[in-house]
Amino acid sequence: AIRMTQSPSSFSASTGDRVTITCRASQGISTYLAWYQQKPGKAPKLLIYAASALQSGVPSRFSGSGSGTDFTLTISCLQSEDFATYYCQQYYSYPRTFGQGTKVEIK
Amino acid sequence: QVQLVESGGNLVEPGGSLRLSCAASGFTFSDYYMTWIRQAPGEGLEWVSYISSSGSTTYYADSVKGRFTISRDNTKSSLYLQMNSLRAEDTAVYFCARGNSQLDYWGQGTLVTVSS
Repeated sequence: AIRMTQSPSSFSASTGDRVTITCRASQGISTYLAWYQQKPGKAPKLLIYAASALQSGVPSRFSGSGSGTDFTLTISCLQSEDFATYYCQQYYSYPRTFGQGTKVEIK
Repeated sequence: QVQLVESGGNLVEPGGSLRLSCAASGFTFSDYYMTWIRQAPGEGLEWVSYISSSGSTTYYADSVKGRFTISRDNTKSSLYLQMNSLRAEDTAVYFCARGNSQLDYWGQGTLVTVSS
């Protein structure tokens, strides 16, 4: 199975900050990568697919980049509603696998 | 609007069985692959299984292979997960989601607790 590793596992940030989360795949996955946001007690929400395509309805402050093994999710100007846990997921092969999550907390 | 509603979660003893359901609405269910994902308490997301739109193709995570069976009834717009030989490590919230690549809609989840 392809292992997805996110970094950092958690960090603190302030409203208005630019934040970047990294996801690394254990082997090349082209751009078969999605990003999700999850808030406590809620289902995950799709933010980005195909590494950089913004899901309909997702604010443009979210962006994704990368291909092969290294990917990033960037939030250009952190808003209060963005404090959550973020997961990457590869869909290059089976079994699909998720990163361990990155929790973004309020500083 | 797209809605996915899971049900069937419960407390079950180790070795027991449970059947989860996911009722879909707001889209043509028979056009879409569907996926089950689970999340143990305080942990991350684990992909469990997927089924093709017709039901002819399925795939399972190694952790559940041989114990869980995914199925669907397109006439009822419903997805199912039959879980047998349950173990303590199967304790989790189980989500159904639309798709097989990126998962664009998720249900709210149903809690399965395996404990004596």
